[in-house]
Amino acid sequence: AAGVIQSPRHLIKEKRETATLKCYPIPRHDTVYWYQQGPGQDPQFLISFYEKMQSDKGSIPDRFSAQQFSDYHSELNMSSLELGDSALYFCASSQGRISGNTIYFGEGSWLTVV
Amino acid sequence: AQSVSQHNHHVILSEAASLELGCNYSYGGTVNLFWYVQYPGQHLQLLLKYFSGDPLVKGIKGFEAEFIKSKFSFNLRKPSVQWSDTAEYFCAVLSGAGSYQLTFGKGTKLSVIP
Repeated sequence: AAGVIQSPRHLIKEKRETATLKCYPIPRHDTVYWYQQGPGQDPQFLISFYEKMQSDKGSIPDRFSAQQFSDYHSELNMSSLELGDSALYFCASSQGRISGNTIYFGEGSWLTVV
Repeated sequence: AQSVSQHNHHVILSEAASLELGCNYSYGGTVNLFWYVQYPGQHLQLLLKYFSGDPLVKGIKGFEAEFIKSKFSFNLRKPSVQWSDTAEYFCAVLSGAGSYQLTFGKGTKLSVIP
């Protein structure tokens, strides 16, 4: 079965650079979520989109932005990268925002800021 | 805001021992409850979920969890653990309060000794 696809899987950037992570949800899933998981930490919710509109916002820094495109894929843009941005970034998707829908996670994108 | 508490940070068991990981949440309304497992260096994988109905839910790999509404709890259990169960386990709650974001607990690291 198709899963949530994230790219790139690994990314190394220098401080103050910009990075873009991509997420392709499971087919027919219209909701995308982004999570950040620091080393040894629990996943922290960043932002979500439903039908190409931002639906919820969590602890996403102002330096980060995201959007969902017409094909439902999403991109997380991170600018002025800091060492503390080094983390595993998960994308997840679900079908709709109705209670009772399961959220499926991608394999994550490892970002290392040096 | 929703909060999720996992009682144990690190649990060490011998193979064949029984497992119970605690999870409590704060929201008193309708909730959807999940347990995710994260093997070292891997992404979050769904173990089991509760939406409604029978409060005892069975998941993959012999895991089960019981939803006790009066105690705001959703504890994970397995009668006999294996070395391959060594991983980090996250409890997560999706509340039905208009905010469609999955809130994770801090995670419990399980180490199974052969």
